[in-house]
Amino acid sequence: DADVTQTPRNRITKTGKRIMLECSQTKGHDRMYWYRQDPGLGLRLIYYSFDVKDINKGEISDGYSVSRQAQAKFSLSLESAIPNQTALYFCATSDRDRAPQGGQFFGPGTRLTVL
Amino acid sequence: QKEVEQNSGPLSVPEGAIASLNCTYSDRGSQSFFWYRQYSGKSPELIMSIYSNGDKEDGRFTAQLNKASQYVSLLIRDSQPSDSATYLCAVKMDSSYKLIFGSGTRLLVRP
Repeated sequence: DADVTQTPRNRITKTGKRIMLECSQTKGHDRMYWYRQDPGLGLRLIYYSFDVKDINKGEISDGYSVSRQAQAKFSLSLESAIPNQTALYFCATSDRDRAPQGGQFFGPGTRLTVL
Repeated sequence: QKEVEQNSGPLSVPEGAIASLNCTYSDRGSQSFFWYRQYSGKSPELIMSIYSNGDKEDGRFTAQLNKASQYVSLLIRDSQPSDSATYLCAVKMDSSYKLIFGSGTRLLVRP
């Protein structure tokens, strides 16, 4: 089955550490997104990419960076993790050919805890 | 005012009843509307999409859209305990990549 995968699924780290979250997809979609979810705040967009050479900031990009290594791979980095980056992180994909009516499809998520 | 608003709930219904979930949005340029189901600790799963005014049915789910009143709703017929989850409404403008999510409504289906 075409899928979106994320690694790691859970991570506990300390303040100041560099962390990378990885996302891979076999859906053949060209668009990829990183969100974080916090209780009561819903899903907030961190970064998005429409293709390998196109990277854009979302609404909460400060403290994060991304890399689109290939059409199927999109990584999120926290250069120096801080406790308020503790959250559930989701990668999502969508298909340009189905835009604007196509929805986004989410990976299983990474639960990140920064101590 | 939030761009997409949902009552946080919980909405509690007995098994077999119809659950009605509502969502309002602020941008009149919005064109595409989606409902996601999210179980606790899991990822959002796309269950319905709707683009035109009126109703769209898929199995036990019916999405309803009223652009004039700027609301979209999700009806779940014959609710089952396995439907207990948080339901997220998401809205997109035609010209935009961006999905705007509501904070979700928590649904509890009592056996």
